[in-house]
Amino acid sequence: EAQVTQNPRYLITVTGKKLTVTCSQNMNHEYMSWYRQDPGLGLRQIYYSMNVEVTDKGDVPEGYKVSRKEKRNFPLILESPSPNQTSLYFCASSLSGVGANVLTFGAGSRLTVL
Amino acid sequence: GDSVTQMEGPVTLSEEAFLTINCTYTATGYPSLFWYVQYPGEGLQLLLKATKADDKGSNKGFEATYRKETTSFHLEKGSVQVSDSAVYFCALRGDYGGSQGNLIFGKGTKLSVKP
Repeated sequence: EAQVTQNPRYLITVTGKKLTVTCSQNMNHEYMSWYRQDPGLGLRQIYYSMNVEVTDKGDVPEGYKVSRKEKRNFPLILESPSPNQTSLYFCASSLSGVGANVLTFGAGSRLTVL
Repeated sequence: GDSVTQMEGPVTLSEEAFLTINCTYTATGYPSLFWYVQYPGEGLQLLLKATKADDKGSNKGFEATYRKETTSFHLEKGSVQVSDSAVYFCALRGDYGGSQGNLIFGKGTKLSVKP
C-alpha cells in the first residue's frame, strides 16, 4: 500500500531531551515536507526537500533540523525541544515539488513537550 | 507572496443541508488549487483538485470550480451527511520550483453535521 509512515504517533517528552520523528514513504517520491498543525494557525511548513540531499527552510524552521540522505526517509530532529514545540506534526510527500502533484500525508505525530 | 484565505469556522449544519466553504487566493502565475479534508484523528487527504481556470474538481459529491477572474475556489456540496464532519483545507501550489512550488494552506474550516 502506498503510504507515508511516521513514528512515533504519540510522544511526551521533557524540555531539552533530543528527539527524532521518523518519516518514510514507499512511493519513490522526490518531494517531502514537514508541517506542524496548531489550533487557529492551520498547517505551517517547517522544512521541505525537493530531492535527496536537498533541503530548505519552510515558514517555521526554528528549533528543527532535517536530513534527506535517502529518497524514502525524511526525519525531523528536535535537538533541544521546548514547550512551544508541542504540536501535531505531519510528514507529506509528492512525486515532485511543483504543479498539480498531490501531497500524500502521514497520519500525524502528536508531540507534547513538558 | 502567495496566500490562501478561507472562511472561518466552525460551520454547523443539519444533515442534507447545502454546504459552501469559501476560499480565495492570491498567487502569481497559474497555481493548482486543492481541497484537502482531515477527518478526526487522521492525516489530511486530497478531496479534489483543479489545475487551470474553469476546471471543476469533484469527488464524493463535493465540487469546486477554479475561478481565475474572482481568484476563488469555493467548496460546495448539495446535501451533507454526518460522515462529512471534518476539517476542510483549501490549498494552492505554484507552478514553479523551489519555495514557490510548496503547498500553501488556508487555516482550515471545521464542519460539524448534525443528524
